Amino acid sequence: GIQVEQSPPDLILQEGANSTLRCNFSDSVNNLQWFHQNPWGQLINLFYIPSGTKQNGRLSATTVATERYSLLYISSSQTTDSGVYFCAVGGGSNYKLTFGKGTLLTVNP
Amino acid sequence: SQTIHQWPATLVQPVGSPLSLECTVEGTSNPNLYWYRQAAGRGLQLLFYSVGIGQISSEVPQNLSASRPQDRQFILSSKKLLLSDSGFYLCAWSGQGRIQYFGAGTRLSVL
Repeated sequence: GIQVEQSPPDLILQEGANSTLRCNFSDSVNNLQWFHQNPWGQLINLFYIPSGTKQNGRLSATTVATERYSLLYISSSQTTDSGVYFCAVGGGSNYKLTFGKGTLLTVNP
Repeated sequence: SQTIHQWPATLVQPVGSPLSLECTVEGTSNPNLYWYRQAAGRGLQLLFYSVGIGQISSEVPQNLSASRPQDRQFILSSKKLLLSDSGFYLCAWSGQGRIQYFGAGTRLSVL
């Protein structure tokens, strides 16, 4: 199956700093999603981005499918950005996703 | 709009007891449905997925089973819980757009 690696595993920032999270995957995909899991466990979809670039407020994401990686950018981080960020990928005709192990982001005031 | 409900939020069960977790989706028809487990250490593992009533695919051999008795209802069950079944169980759905939407999860502790 597809392997998904996320880096860094842990990241500590001061409020206002910028960060880049990376997701590498081992095979071609037609489905790539970024999720944020808050401290209460709720998973929220941030981006559906199998290729290209998208932006939503302070967050943006870029996927370079030919090179098998995706990046999530967080600008001007806030304490509410804390949590675990997951990259999940899928290929083929089904809608299954394989999740990476996540990046634990801590934003300190 | 679509919503997904998952209950209970927390559950403490003795080893050997049965389990039934329920997930329902509102506001859409014929969704794909998923059960995930998240153990300590963060990773999400896909347990089951379903593309229609009575159609269940199992991703890993385990002590659990899933059923889909109605279009928007997905149930995770066990006849006898093991200590290793403890974890955070998440239900999700997706439509034609492929984006997965998650429920609030159930924290299961098997003692």
